Amino acid sequence: KQEVTQIPAALSVPEGENLVLNCSFTDSAIYNLQWFRQDPGKGLTSLLLIQSSQREQTSGRLNASLDKSSGRSTLYIAASQPGDSATYLCAVVPMDSNYQLIWGAGTKLIIKP
Amino acid sequence: ETGVTQTPRHLVMGMTNKKSLKCEQHLGHNAMYWYKQSAKKPLELMFVYNFKEQTENNSVPSRFSPECPNSSHLFLHLHTLQPEDSALYLCASSQDRATGREQYFGPGTRLTVT
Repeated sequence: KQEVTQIPAALSVPEGENLVLNCSFTDSAIYNLQWFRQDPGKGLTSLLLIQSSQREQTSGRLNASLDKSSGRSTLYIAASQPGDSATYLCAVVPMDSNYQLIWGAGTKLIIKP
Repeated sequence: ETGVTQTPRHLVMGMTNKKSLKCEQHLGHNAMYWYKQSAKKPLELMFVYNFKEQTENNSVPSRFSPECPNSSHLFLHLHTLQPEDSALYLCASSQDRATGREQYFGPGTRLTVT
């Protein structure tokens, strides 16, 4: 059974720092992996989607990598800003899941001005 | 705005009440989803509708009853809930129920059962 883990559960860093969020999954047989952002009291916003055949995706200051063989993904945020403060969730679509997303519990990120 | 709206945004109900959550998407999508998000736990998929047909029910108690009258609207009817049902209920939609289809989420309904 696929499990997704995000460590740490919470992270606080000063503004301007580059940072990395981690996501690990137990079964490498996946269709894709997605990173989402959730602001307090709001729904989820999709940030990046990496297909199983891809190694990374970039959008602005965000870069997500995927290493299927080791069951890991990272979300790199460059030059962090207070507006980046949110909970970041990763989710995978396992190949045996009928396309169901399997979610991590998220990392709550606080960027201190 | 993601194109997915949910009402109400907040709901407090007693265990004997009956209420409904509403979701509407303006994206022309054919698949819609209900998720439950409890504190510090991963999102739990509850129901999936694809082209108005329910395709998945992840062992959800019968006190939760979904309805999908058309591809743009999704309801979650609630009755005789328990305090442990208090959570954020998220609706999402995607082009269809196929791999790689990006899901778009609504803002959620914060439900408190007293």
